[in-house]
This record gives sequence, structure tokens and C-alpha cells, in this order.
Amino acid sequence: QSALTQPRSVSGSPGQSVTISCTGTSSDVGGYNYVSWYQHHPGKAPKLIIYDVSRRPSDIPDRFSGSKSGNTASLTISGLQAEDEADYFCCSYGGSYNYVFGTETRVTVL
Amino acid sequence: QVHLVESGGGVVQPGRSLRLSCAASGFSFGTSGMYWVRQAPGEGLQWVAFTSYDGTNKAYADSVKGRFTISRDNSKDTLYLQMNSLKPDDTATYYCAKLTVFRGPFDYWGQGTLVSVSS
Repeated sequence: QSALTQPRSVSGSPGQSVTISCTGTSSDVGGYNYVSWYQHHPGKAPKLIIYDVSRRPSDIPDRFSGSKSGNTASLTISGLQAEDEADYFCCSYGGSYNYVFGTETRVTVL
Repeated sequence: QVHLVESGGGVVQPGRSLRLSCAASGFSFGTSGMYWVRQAPGEGLQWVAFTSYDGTNKAYADSVKGRFTISRDNSKDTLYLQMNSLKPDDTATYYCAKLTVFRGPFDYWGQGTLVSVSS
């Protein structure tokens, strides 16, 4: 399975909203409601921020939200804050023991 | 507090072997499925290997099948990845990740250990 496609970078000013897309196929994103998103500061451990397309772990602020339409999932960060500057990647279950990951998006807070 | 700490990475020549370790703490390691996931420089992440909580079920990505072996020692809360016949394409940062449930997300990751395969 090929990697999920994400934009290389997105940017926004503090307080604005940004959306990151994650495009796969009917064998992964489109076939299952098991899409998750991770925040990754370089050199640190990735952190789960969204799972099952739109669910948030209890410690994740509601500024982070997820959705899916067809073969494309999306992560939206509302009310952008300086601390949100990081890399973000998506992940989809792809059947059996397979997981497919996105190509990472760098979010820059202007 | 959950911690996953990888170790064992380094520079190795093609064809040689390396064993990675992932020390777990802060959760019930012996009841958790675990993955190794890698990220080559400038590339997206790729799952490498899976082990069930008790080691009875294992799976490998096609790119490493027959060369890599995942194992675990639940008495030591440690996950391993034995990597043999290493190739330059295996150069990557290797992460261990805890699986929540089958088909579920990875709720905890380590910081990764860098493996560089070069002559």
C-alpha cells in the first residue's frame, strides 16, 4: 500500500484555523473509520491527537478536530497557537495487520 | 506516566545485523500489542513489524520479511527487533509504538532510534 498523501506544509497566524488533508484509497482511509492523527515535534515521541476519524483523547483540546469524506480525512486546528507548530501525520488501518501512514505536514504558526 | 525508550541504533555496514530494544514503563506491557514503525529520511512512516501481547501472533512488512524478527520479553517489559542482512534502504529512525486495540490507534510512541546502513 502506498503512503497517504498530505500537503508538505500549511501555515496560519495565531487564532486562525488550518486544515490538513490526508488522501488514501478505498483500501485504507475510505474503507475503514480507523483514521488517527499524530502531532510530532522533531526529536520527540509522536503524540496521538485524533483517533477513529474524529475522537479526541481526553488530554487533547477541542481545538483539534477530525473528519472524513470518501478517501480523504482531514485534521483541523482551530484557534492556532504557537505551541501547535509541529509536524502532523495521519494513519489509517489498512486491513490485517497493515497500517498506512501519511507523508507528514509541517504546520507553521506565522 | 507511560514511557517507551528505544535503544540499539547506530551505523552498520550492509549485510550486518543490529538488535533494537524498546523498554516500556507506566502501563501493562504484557497485555499490549506492539509495533515497530520506521521513518526513512525525508519519507513517510512505514510499519515494520507487529507482535501480539503474548508474542504468539507476529506480522512483518513485505520489505523486511525473512530478515527482521520481532520479539518481546514480558518479564522485562521490553520489545526487540532483530535486524539481519541490513540494506541501505533500511536506513531510518525506528520507533516502537503501543497499539490500543486491534485496528485501533497507537496511543504511545517512543522517541525513536536512528539506524544508518552504509559502507
